[in-house]
Amino acid sequence: GAGVSQSPRYKVAKRGQDVALRCDPISGHVSLFWYQQALGQGPEFLTYFQNEAQLDKSGLPSDRFFAERPEGSVSTLKIQRTQQEDSAVYLCASSVRTGGYNEQFFGPGTRLTVL
Amino acid sequence: AQSVSQHNHHVILSEAASLELGCNYSYGGTVNLFWYVQYPGQHLQLLLKYFSGDPLVKGIKGFEAEFIKSKFSFNLRKPSVQWSDTAEYFCAVNTEYGNKLVFGAGTILRVKS
Repeated sequence: GAGVSQSPRYKVAKRGQDVALRCDPISGHVSLFWYQQALGQGPEFLTYFQNEAQLDKSGLPSDRFFAERPEGSVSTLKIQRTQQEDSAVYLCASSVRTGGYNEQFFGPGTRLTVL
Repeated sequence: AQSVSQHNHHVILSEAASLELGCNYSYGGTVNLFWYVQYPGQHLQLLLKYFSGDPLVKGIKGFEAEFIKSKFSFNLRKPSVQWSDTAEYFCAVNTEYGNKLVFGAGTILRVKS
């Protein structure tokens, strides 16, 4: 398909486990974003890439969260030593170029449940 | 820091009723404004956006929104809702200097047939 894809769609982790969430953006899209959406809330920004460069990581809640996009396409969000408060839907979005007016296309999200 | 507030968390309407969802943002500079919609079981998709020009913006499926700069508002409207408009609606903003979107908490709209 031509949209943003994410895997896995659902992930259950025991507290303390590490998880890795994958995002495949739309081909050729320069910008890639990660958001966290808690139950009943709107998405909250985590981090932003322009190609392979991570230009903004101000939204990452702790140093347990790490994101990379080594070749400027696929991105991985890693959470180390998961905690219950990490339970949320993690959304990935991409846009064709930089600039705030560009539409961000969202993936279906990964629902993470930490037990 | 920017913030977005959506006034109603749940709205229930009958088919053919008119819809207005409120959205206010806090930021004193130039902004880009968006409404995203999430239909049941689907991912977020763009309904409409404003970044310059005519403050009355028309989007897909008969939706429109009006940017009122003096009120820091970007309310979403539709003259006559349909059952298929049942969804969650999110207002979002970013600035001319940033790419990240700041979202409101969302409004869940249920349209009764």
